[in-house]
Amino acid sequence: NAGVTQTPKFQVLKTGQSMTLQCAQDMNHNSMYWYRQDPGMGLRLIYYSASEGTTDKGEVPNGYNVSRLNKREFSLRLESAAPSQTSVYFCASSEGGTANSPLHFGNGTRLTVT
Amino acid sequence: EDQVTQSPEALRLQEGESSSLNCSYTVSGLRGLFWYRQDPGKGPEFLFTLYSAGEEKEKERLKATLTKKESFLHITAPKPEDSATYLCAVQGAGSYQLTFGKGTKLSVIP
Repeated sequence: NAGVTQTPKFQVLKTGQSMTLQCAQDMNHNSMYWYRQDPGMGLRLIYYSASEGTTDKGEVPNGYNVSRLNKREFSLRLESAAPSQTSVYFCASSEGGTANSPLHFGNGTRLTVT
Repeated sequence: EDQVTQSPEALRLQEGESSSLNCSYTVSGLRGLFWYRQDPGKGPEFLFTLYSAGEEKEKERLKATLTKKESFLHITAPKPEDSATYLCAVQGAGSYQLTFGKGTKLSVIP
């Protein structure tokens, strides 16, 4: 049981380049999330998808787009990368959006933008 | 705006030396307070959810408690494998978003 799988694990981009971070879950969860984690700061929500076919902005959505491809997959796209987007990105999933369904996280994508 | 403050930022314990981590929070209508463990290079791993003041939950050497303003994660007789960063988060009423604290990095020395 793989849980939440993120690809790639590491990526280096130059300013202005674009890329897509991939995330897939095999737990049949309805909700999926993208967070970023920066030194000295808590995890911050970028976008989330409460259910297949819906997406909503989180706390820090600027510079990102998302696609809920199907129930299993939720991708995060950086159209024109900036150094401020250097971070560790975590995908997570949960059965629903209530407190009764905790988040399950992947192991992250470490992105450096030069 | 929901806020979570964790203290201390870092804690070094000798193996067997019990202690507590603190999570102070402000939230509009608490739906849940969560504790996660994060190992280096890994994603956070769920430990506990607490829903209301007075509630307690235990798992092995860990015990989480909740009041109306803060939560404590008590670690009894810790072992080196308990070394990790412990994250606290809250979810407010009507929100999908969790607000996370910055974490407490725990090191247990043999």
